[in-house]
Amino acid sequence: DTGVSQDPRHKITKRGQNVTFRCDPISEHNRLYWYRQTLGQGPEFLTYFQNEAQLEKSRLLSDRFSAERPKGSFSTLEIQRTEQGDSAMYLCASSLWDGVRFLAWSSYNEQFFGPGTRLTVL
Amino acid sequence: AQSVTQPDIHITVSEGASLELRCNYSYGATPYLFWYVQSPGQGLQLLLKYFSGDTLVQGIKGFEAEFKRSQSSFNLRKPSVHWSDAAEYFCAVAQGTGGFKTIFGAGTRLFVKA
Repeated sequence: DTGVSQDPRHKITKRGQNVTFRCDPISEHNRLYWYRQTLGQGPEFLTYFQNEAQLEKSRLLSDRFSAERPKGSFSTLEIQRTEQGDSAMYLCASSLWDGVRFLAWSSYNEQFFGPGTRLTVL
Repeated sequence: AQSVTQPDIHITVSEGASLELRCNYSYGATPYLFWYVQSPGQGLQLLLKYFSGDTLVQGIKGFEAEFKRSQSSFNLRKPSVHWSDAAEYFCAVAQGTGGFKTIFGAGTRLFVKA
């Protein structure tokens, strides 16, 4: 297992262009998360999937953002009509959630993070 | 709403000295707390986590943290810092079923001087 991978690692684009990022989670993990991290800040939750279902979206995820996980494996995050304010590090994480004892926090499973994709919008 | 505050933007310690990074949280119920480390070009790595039970938790790389409910704090400590510990440290609190949503603090950058 090579961990969570993200592609590309860096992306420079011009304002108004569309960009798409890919995340490959750890193979047996059923949960996948996207976060955004701006300079000098901690990561901010954007959205997460359980298998192929997108179960939660942050209000930070404007209608220009869309995420998919079509087969419950890899995920893509697309930003349409990019703005300079979209410049950030986009982090992906995955975890294995057994869902059996959801009230028992001992069954919480660690989120493993990828290296991130750094987006620069000119 | 839950929030996490890390009062120190950056801290400098000498190699071999002890370290304490501060974290305060705001949450109405029992918090589920974490410390992560982020090195340049690397992903976030979990150092330790607290769910319940013993309020002093041990983590990787010789780190430990103590949960103090009365102070709403979860400070990270290490008795002797190594140069390789220089990195950004994030305190976080989880909410949601299985902790799907993690709220991070703004981070504390640790500098280690020889």
